[in-house]
Amino acid sequence: EAGVAQSPRYKIIEKRQSVAFWCNPISGHATLYWYQQILGQGPKLLIQFQNNGVVDDSQLPKDRFSAERLKGVDSTLKIQPAKLEDSAVYLCASSLEGGGGETQYFGPGTRLLVL
Amino acid sequence: AQSVSQHNHHVILSEAASLELGCNYSYGGTVNLFWYVQYPGQHLQLLLKYFSGDPLVKGIKGFEAEFIKSKFSFNLRKPSVQWSDTAEYFCAVSIGNYGQNFVFGPGTRLSVLP
Repeated sequence: EAGVAQSPRYKIIEKRQSVAFWCNPISGHATLYWYQQILGQGPKLLIQFQNNGVVDDSQLPKDRFSAERLKGVDSTLKIQPAKLEDSAVYLCASSLEGGGGETQYFGPGTRLLVL
Repeated sequence: AQSVSQHNHHVILSEAASLELGCNYSYGGTVNLFWYVQYPGQHLQLLLKYFSGDPLVKGIKGFEAEFIKSKFSFNLRKPSVQWSDTAEYFCAVSIGNYGQNFVFGPGTRLSVLP
C-alpha cells in the first residue's frame, strides 16, 4: 500500500514570496490533515478536511495561508506572502474516516526555509 | 483550547533500563489519546492509542500506556529499552467521537546508549 506522498521535500524562499505544497493521501482515505511543525515543537494542526469539506481550520492563519482539496483526494497548502516565522516542516496526514480513535498516517513532510 | 504537556524534553537511558514518559492533557470530557513516534529519518507513526475500553493499552515494540482519567494522564512505558528505541515521542489528544481539536504535545527525545 502506498503511503502519503508530499512534494516538494525541501523549499527555500525569501520572505514575502509565495509557496505551495502538495499532498496525496493514502487511497480511500476520506480525511486529510495539514500540520506545521516548528523545530523543537510538536506538530500543530492547521486544517482538517473530510472529503473536500473543511472540518477544522481554527489554527490556520487565514490572512496568509490557504488550503484546498477540490476533488476530495489530493490537497494543496499555500502560503502567500511567507514570513520568516513560517520556516518549519509541513506535514500531511490522512486517515480512513476521521473518527475519534483513528490512526493518522503521515507523509515525509516538506521542509520550508524562509530567508 | 485544550493543551498537552510532556514531562521531559530529553531523556537519556542505557540499554535495558526501564522507560516512563509522562503525558498530561487539559480537557475534562471524552478524549482519544495517542502516542506517536518518529525514528531518525522516518515518518511519524503510531505507537499506540486509547479511545475506549481497557485503560491499559499495548502497542508495537513492547510499549504500553495507561490512561488515568482522574489524573488526566496517559504515560508511556517500556520495561527494557533498546538502542533502536532512540527517537522522538509525541503524545497527542483529540476530543469526542469525531476526533476534533487534535493536539500534539511538544515531544520527548529519547536517547538510548548502547
